[in-house]
Amino acid sequence: AQSVTQLDSQVPVFEEAPVELRCNYSSSVSVYLFWYVQYPNQGLQLLLKYLSGSTLVKGINGFEAEFNKSQTSFHLRKPSVHISDTAEYFCAVTRDNFNKFYFGSGTKLNVKP
Amino acid sequence: NAGVTQTPKFQVLKTGQSMTLQCAQDMNHEYMSWYRQDPGMGLRLIHYSVGAGITDQGEVPNGYNVSRSTTEDFPLRLLSAAPSQTSVYFCASSYALGGNIQYFGAGTRLSVL
Repeated sequence: AQSVTQLDSQVPVFEEAPVELRCNYSSSVSVYLFWYVQYPNQGLQLLLKYLSGSTLVKGINGFEAEFNKSQTSFHLRKPSVHISDTAEYFCAVTRDNFNKFYFGSGTKLNVKP
Repeated sequence: NAGVTQTPKFQVLKTGQSMTLQCAQDMNHEYMSWYRQDPGMGLRLIHYSVGAGITDQGEVPNGYNVSRSTTEDFPLRLLSAAPSQTSVYFCASSYALGGNIQYFGAGTRLSVL
């Protein structure tokens, strides 16, 4: 089975500062990687995904993530955060046979003014 | 564009009561799944289905039943609710092949007293 580790349960950051949310996965085969965002009292929305090709993936709201196969990581970054980015972020992985998702435990990003 | 619709949004049950959480999607997705979300544990897969008439267990299936009689609907049944089932439940759907985006409903917040 896959496993996904999000190393930080909470990340406090000041507005306009850069942020990196870390995600590592365990798999001996090719995987597809996703970042989802959950705003308070809402469902999950897709931020970005990596299927193949360029290891740097750009998503919505200025977020990007880099796939590093050798380190089995898929860290999420934003160069300058806004108050509105306050949310919980989930890393997820699937394999190519079918779409069974494995989610990390989530990272709460708290952007302070 | 309804997407994934979950009902009810909130529910309070007494221990031992039964109920069904409804999930419907209008995107003709083969794959549907149920997750529960608990603080610090991310999303854990309860049951999933890869098509009408086909269901399988996820990580935490005990105490829950599912069926998939149509492509559109995937209800989750709690046969005898327990306080440990207090959680937020999310339904999601996607195309079956790996790498496809999962679309989430808005969630059902369940409290079992």
